[in-house]
Amino acid sequence: GIQVEQSPPDLILQEGANSTLRCNFSDSVNNLQWFHQNPWGQLINLFYIPSGTKQNGRLSATTVATERYSLLYISSSQTTDSGVYFCAVWVSETGNQFYFGTGTSLTVIP
Amino acid sequence: KAGVTQTPRYLIKTRGQQVTLSCSPISGHRSVSWYQQTPGQGLQFLFEYFSETQRNKGNFPGRFSGRQFSNSRSEMNVSTLELGDSALYLCASSRQEIYGEQFFGPGTRLTVL
Repeated sequence: GIQVEQSPPDLILQEGANSTLRCNFSDSVNNLQWFHQNPWGQLINLFYIPSGTKQNGRLSATTVATERYSLLYISSSQTTDSGVYFCAVWVSETGNQFYFGTGTSLTVIP
Repeated sequence: KAGVTQTPRYLIKTRGQQVTLSCSPISGHRSVSWYQQTPGQGLQFLFEYFSETQRNKGNFPGRFSGRQFSNSRSEMNVSTLELGDSALYLCASSRQEIYGEQFFGPGTRLTVL
């Protein structure tokens, strides 16, 4: 099956710093989403981005489907950005399935 | 518009029992998917329902089953519970028929003793 790898696995930032999270996938995908999972387990939608670039406040994302990767940029990080960030992709190779990446655990310290 | 709701939020069962979890999608969404999250395996796709039909299924044993009702609400059932079934079970709904943006509920945390 498809491999969805995220890097780095762990990241510690000082408040106000910028960061880039990466999602690599091993096969062609039909769609891609980025999520933030809060400490209570809730997955919060960040971006629905099969290709191109989108921005939402301090966050932006870019997906280059032909090169099989997506990037999530966080600028001027805040302590509330802490949590785990997941990318997830729709794949249709063996029926349609939604595969999650391995996640990046972000800690923002004041 | 109300989000995806899941009940119960927490559940404790013993090995061998069965459990039923419920998910109500966002109004107007007809696709409902279920996921299992464990520390060891991460987030894994269980199955997806659309218009009361299971369309897609992940690699889980037959002890895991589900159904969807005419109002799009969905239930998943796990029979003969094992310790390894302890997990956070997440439900998501989508408006689109295929490859749609997934919106997740808060999850049900199941502990099997």
